[in-house]
Amino acid sequence: EVHLVESGGGLVKPGGSLRLSCAASGFTFSTYSMIWVRQAPGKGLEWVSSIGYNSGYIYYADSVKGRFTVSRDNGKNSLYLQMDSLRAEDTAVYYCATLPTQVGWGQGTLVTVSS
Amino acid sequence: DIQMTQSPSSLSASVGDRVTFTCRASQNITTFLNWYQQKPGKAPKVLIFAASSLQSGVSSRFSGSGSGTDFTLTISSLQPEDFAIYYCQQSYRTPYTFGQGTKVEI
Repeated sequence: EVHLVESGGGLVKPGGSLRLSCAASGFTFSTYSMIWVRQAPGKGLEWVSSIGYNSGYIYYADSVKGRFTVSRDNGKNSLYLQMDSLRAEDTAVYYCATLPTQVGWGQGTLVTVSS
Repeated sequence: DIQMTQSPSSLSASVGDRVTFTCRASQNITTFLNWYQQKPGKAPKVLIFAASSLQSGVSSRFSGSGSGTDFTLTISSLQPEDFAIYYCQQSYRTPYTFGQGTKVEI
């Protein structure tokens, strides 16, 4: 069974940094591209970033470009999202998912950016 | 960027109703279209992928159709557990944009 577990969320001040992790199991992680999606409180879903199975391609939403960095460690079956220069509008639940997304989604981790 | 527009934004329905939502893309996305169901406090759940393929484990009362720019999600007989928000998403080109959602209420 596909299992994705995000961690690393929490409360951070504007301008601060946070690193999210997504631990994968139950499938061959190294053969799947992965994505991050976020959802601000009471709002819809927003794609944040994608990374190829071998990190061969990386894409970001304009709203996070230059501030967020996605990476992966296939040896550890893990996906990461380094978030720097955080803003109040980055407050959201962050989900990791496989690409294609029908394979699996995590349960999400909440990031709150507030002073 | 490809814009995804869902309609209606909300609808009221009753158990047993046949319900149809629509999703329109601002440009041709062939069949790179997914449908999700989301309940409060939960992660999105994939219902339909590639416009019309039913996700494993999802009830056959859900069906999807369309290609190009116009897509529909149909629930053949609404059940109590179907009251939720439904999103479409294009996976044709980044940014992989979502529609704004359709909320199904009693």
